[in-house]
Amino acid sequence: AQSVTQPDIHITVSEGASLELRCNYSYGATPYLFWYVQSPGQGLQLLLKYFSGDTLVQGIKGFEAEFKRSQSSFNLRKPSVHWSDAAEYFCAVGARGGSYIPTFGRGTSLIVHP
Amino acid sequence: NAGVTQTPKFRVLKTGQSMTLLCAQDMNHEYMYWYRQDPGMGLRLIHYSVGEGTTAKGEVPDGYNVSRLKKQNFLLGLESAAPSQTSVYFCASKNNGLNTEAFFGQGTRLTVV
Repeated sequence: AQSVTQPDIHITVSEGASLELRCNYSYGATPYLFWYVQSPGQGLQLLLKYFSGDTLVQGIKGFEAEFKRSQSSFNLRKPSVHWSDAAEYFCAVGARGGSYIPTFGRGTSLIVHP
Repeated sequence: NAGVTQTPKFRVLKTGQSMTLLCAQDMNHEYMYWYRQDPGMGLRLIHYSVGEGTTAKGEVPDGYNVSRLKKQNFLLGLESAAPSQTSVYFCASKNNGLNTEAFFGQGTRLTVV
């Protein structure tokens, strides 16, 4: 069975600082990988996705993530955080083939200090 | 283009009452999902559907039923609401292509008292 671990429940950064949110997955083969963002009271919006090819993927709002097969990781990064980035971030994994079911991590809450 | 629309957005129920949450998508997606979101638990899959007329159980199906009579709609029912079902419910849909992602509705906040 597939699973996702986001080891950090909360992350606090200062505005302008760099950011890295960790995500580790468990899956028997190369999975589909996603990062979603949820602003307070809102639904989930896709930031970026990895299906195949280049292991460094670019997303919206200046985010990027790198798929590292050897570490079973898909960490999200941003070089300079803005106050508007404060939100809940979810990593998700989807199986290839069969009934595609996205499995989500527990989320990381990002707090941005001015 | 509305995407995925959930109704209602908020609801308060008394224990034992029943209700139905409606999810509608206008993207002609095959797959639809119902998740619940609880603090510190992330999103947990309740039920899902891979096409019109089909449904399947997810991780936490107890106390819920679903129906997919029309391709664009996925209904989530609570027959006898319990306080443990207080949560935020999200619907999502996805087409059956390999390299595609799920799209989410805005959520339904349900409180059972």
